[in-house]
Amino acid sequence: SQQGEEDPQALSIQEGENATMNCSYKTSINNLQWYRQNSGRGLVHLILIRSNEREKHSGRLRVTLDTSKKSSSLLITASRAADTASYFCATDSSPLANTGNQFYFGTGTSLTVIP
Amino acid sequence: DAGVIQSPRHEVTEMGQEVTLRCKPISGHDYLFWYRQTMMRGLELLIYFNNNVPIDDSGMPEDRFSAKMPNASFSTLKIQPSEPRDSAVYFCASSWTGNGGNTIYFGEGSWLTVV
Repeated sequence: SQQGEEDPQALSIQEGENATMNCSYKTSINNLQWYRQNSGRGLVHLILIRSNEREKHSGRLRVTLDTSKKSSSLLITASRAADTASYFCATDSSPLANTGNQFYFGTGTSLTVIP
Repeated sequence: DAGVIQSPRHEVTEMGQEVTLRCKPISGHDYLFWYRQTMMRGLELLIYFNNNVPIDDSGMPEDRFSAKMPNASFSTLKIQPSEPRDSAVYFCASSWTGNGGNTIYFGEGSWLTVV
C-alpha cells in the first residue's frame, strides 16, 4: 500500500505550545500534502510540498520533507484551541506529473489543544 | 463557489436496503473521488473519475458497490444491498488538473448507518 502513516496517533498539548506530527510513506512521490479535519466535517487542504522541496511555510505551519527517509513532518507553532482537529498527510505517487489523480491518505493524528 | 455538495448528510437504513449517495463537484473540476472513512481503516479511496470516466475502481470493496458519473456535475455511489459493515462516512471530493490537480476539495460527507 502507498498509504501514509501519521505519528503519533494522538497528541495533546497546551495552548501556545508547538505541535509536531510526522508522516511516513512507502513509495516515491510527486507531492505530499497535509489536510485538516475538524470533527464531523470534511478534510481541508493545508499545504503542499513537492518532492524537490525540503521545507515549506504557511503562516504558523511548517512542513518538511525528507524523500530519502520517505517522511514528512508538520509543525504547528503557537498552537490555539481552534487547532484541535485531526491532521492527515496525503501522497500522490503517480508516475505522471500533474495528472491530478489518486491520493492516498494516512490514518491521521488527532491533535487536542488544551486552552 | 459552494464547494463540493453531498447528500444526504446523514442516513440510517436497514440492512438489505439500497443506499444512494449523491455528489455535486465543484464546477470546472475534472476529477471526482469517492472516499470512505472509518475508525478502523481510516480514509480509503474507493473510486475516482476523470472527465466523467471511471479511472480506477480497485478500492470498491465488492460488487454491492457501484458508482456512476453521468455528467460533469453529478455522481452517485450506490450500495445494494447494504450491510452493517458499510456504516461509515462517505466523502466525495473533486480536483482540477489546471492547477496541477494537487489540491482535493472535500464535501462534508454522508454519514451512513446501516442497522
